[in-house]
Amino acid sequence: GESVGLHLPTLSVQEGDNSIINCAYSNSASDYFIWYKQESGKGPQFIIDIRSNMDKRQGQRVTVLLNKTVKHLSLQIAATQPGDSAVYFCAVNSGGYQKVTFGIGTKLQVIP
Amino acid sequence: ETGVTQTPRHLVMGMTNKKSLKCEQHLGHNAMYWYKQSAKKPLELMFVYNFKEQTENNSVPSRFSPECPNSSHLFLHLHTLQPEDSALYLCASSQGRVLGEQFFGPGTRLTVL
Repeated sequence: GESVGLHLPTLSVQEGDNSIINCAYSNSASDYFIWYKQESGKGPQFIIDIRSNMDKRQGQRVTVLLNKTVKHLSLQIAATQPGDSAVYFCAVNSGGYQKVTFGIGTKLQVIP
Repeated sequence: ETGVTQTPRHLVMGMTNKKSLKCEQHLGHNAMYWYKQSAKKPLELMFVYNFKEQTENNSVPSRFSPECPNSSHLFLHLHTLQPEDSALYLCASSQGRVLGEQFFGPGTRLTVL
C-alpha cells in the first residue's frame, strides 16, 4: 500500500533563512500532491499543490518540488518568518478519496 | 461566523457515554468530510458527504455514526467509544470533490476515558 513519510519530525530554522521540508511516497501512480500547514489549535490549511505532470511550482515565498524518479516531494519556504512556525504535512493522491495518504508532519520552529 | 466551525472544541467522555460533534460550514460548499487526527499519526479520512449523500465510508467502526441533514451541517454521533478513539476530529468542506480545495475547521479534541 501507499506510505508517506517525512524525513525530519522537527526542523528548527533561524528567522530569515530558508526552510526545506521533505516528503517521500511509495506509490508511483500518485498524481496529485498537496502541502498543508497546521498551526496549533487550528485545522490544516492548504499551502500549495502540484500535479505529476510538473516538477516545480511556486507560490508566495513557497516552492514545491516533485521528483517522481525517487518519489520525493519537498516544500521550500523562503525567508522563514515566526508566523511560519507550524506543523507541515504532505498529502498524496493516487485517484479518489480512498487513495489519499497523508504524511505524519514536520514541526517547523522558527528561531527569532 | 465564517468558514468552517466545529463544536465543541474540547470533549471528554466516558466509554459508555453518547455524544455528538457538530460541524457547520458557511461557504456554500456541497461536500463535507470527517477526518481523524491522532498524535504522531497521519490524518485519516473517515466519511465523505456530497449533496447530503454519504459517498465514502473509510471502514470506520459503527460506534461512529455520521449524519448530514443538509449541505451546511455535519454531525458525528459517538457511542461506546474506546480510549484509542481519543484524537482530534476535523471537519472539512469543499465546493467540488477536489482534495486541494478543502477548507478545514479547527477540530474537536476528544478524550475518551
